[in-house]
Amino acid sequence: AQKITQTQPGMFVQEKEAVTLDCTYDTSDPSYGLFWYKQPSSGEMIFLIYQGSYDQQNATEGRYSLNFQKARKSANLVISASQLGDSAMYFCAIYGQNFVFGPGTRLSVLP
Amino acid sequence: AAGVIQSPRHLIKEKRETATLKCYPIPRHDTVYWYQQGPGQDPQFLISFYEKMQSDKGSIPDRFSAQQFSDYHSELNMSSLELGDSALYFCASSLGVQETNTGELFFGEGSRLTVL
Repeated sequence: AQKITQTQPGMFVQEKEAVTLDCTYDTSDPSYGLFWYKQPSSGEMIFLIYQGSYDQQNATEGRYSLNFQKARKSANLVISASQLGDSAMYFCAIYGQNFVFGPGTRLSVLP
Repeated sequence: AAGVIQSPRHLIKEKRETATLKCYPIPRHDTVYWYQQGPGQDPQFLISFYEKMQSDKGSIPDRFSAQQFSDYHSELNMSSLELGDSALYFCASSLGVQETNTGELFFGEGSRLTVL
């Protein structure tokens, strides 16, 4: 069985500052992938970043980076230089045998 | 680039009615996943298909059924609708079940079902 834990139901960050959204996971699959999605109030699920379990380097996509610590089973999302448009729900997800989402973190960016 | 297309985007039904949601995956993608996201909840896996065969099953009610057709589009059929079925239904597609491990998994914009 797979499980994603996101311990921060809500986060606030000042515009232009960096923020880290926590994600820990549990899986028995030897090979898996970790995903982060952004869900704005409009509802669509927007892919942000992906990290494969065998990837040696942390994934980066523009202002998004994934701090992958395999031994700790954590895959935190770092957003640099936060923008007002970053305010949304953020879901961490894992794919091994199937695709499982975490409960999400609501990020609010303050002007 | 073409994305995952879901239709309808919004649907309003009454209790005990039926509803059908459609999903058109990204071209070349042969794997489809369905998720249900209730208000304020995280998405819950319902069912997935690979090459027109059911590949995995999650918390899909017996009142729901789904299939994937020869052109790889998928339909989710929901019968005897209940108030609790009101949710955002997402479809996602990937190129092969194993290829999801390369990050090639993309979601449609969702179909919002409201049951009155």
